Amino acid sequence: LAKTTQPISMDSYEGQEVNITCSHNNIATNDYITWYQQFPSQGPRFIIQGYKTKVTNEVASLFIPADRKSSTLSLPRVSLSDTAVYYCLVGEIYNFNKFYFGSGTKLNVKP
Amino acid sequence: NAGVTQTPKFQVLKTGQSMTLQCAQDMNHEYMSWYRQDPGMGLRLIHYSVGAGITDQGEVPNGYNVSRSTTEDFPLRLLSAAPSQTSVYFCASSYMDSANTGELFFGEGSRLTVL
Repeated sequence: LAKTTQPISMDSYEGQEVNITCSHNNIATNDYITWYQQFPSQGPRFIIQGYKTKVTNEVASLFIPADRKSSTLSLPRVSLSDTAVYYCLVGEIYNFNKFYFGSGTKLNVKP
Repeated sequence: NAGVTQTPKFQVLKTGQSMTLQCAQDMNHEYMSWYRQDPGMGLRLIHYSVGAGITDQGEVPNGYNVSRSTTEDFPLRLLSAAPSQTSVYFCASSYMDSANTGELFFGEGSRLTVL
């Protein structure tokens, strides 16, 4: 079970690009990297998922180096509404019961 | 499309009482699960199911029961509530086939207080 390490909190200002890095040194060959976002009093919401290199969708980009021991979630031009907790999960796709939600990274976007 | 629906949203119980948290999904997902989230912490898996009639324990199953009689419903039963079960409970579901991404869909949560 690949554990992850991510910063407890980050501060940013509106309009800036935010990069949240997750370390997963023990990632296995079949593991994918998935990021979720959670607003206060709501359930987590899927943001992005990748296996290697770069994945981009309408919300974020995910950068994964060749050794896959870390990954970076990039949020372009954040707004106040991006203030949330961001979780990095590593595991075999569809093995949901093995996914470990740590404490996540609390992103605080300031005006 | 309702997604994952949890009821009730709020509940206060006295120690020793029993109750059931309801979870229903209308996406025909095979996988369903229950998590609890304590203040300032991540989510911990209580029980999960990979299909009707199949359930298994997660990380923190003690004090909770589940059943999966239909694909749509996955109720969580607290047998004898204790103050340590005060938490926010989330139900989540997903597909388990390669035609879909490995995305968990979460409900809005049920906030439980045990006095």
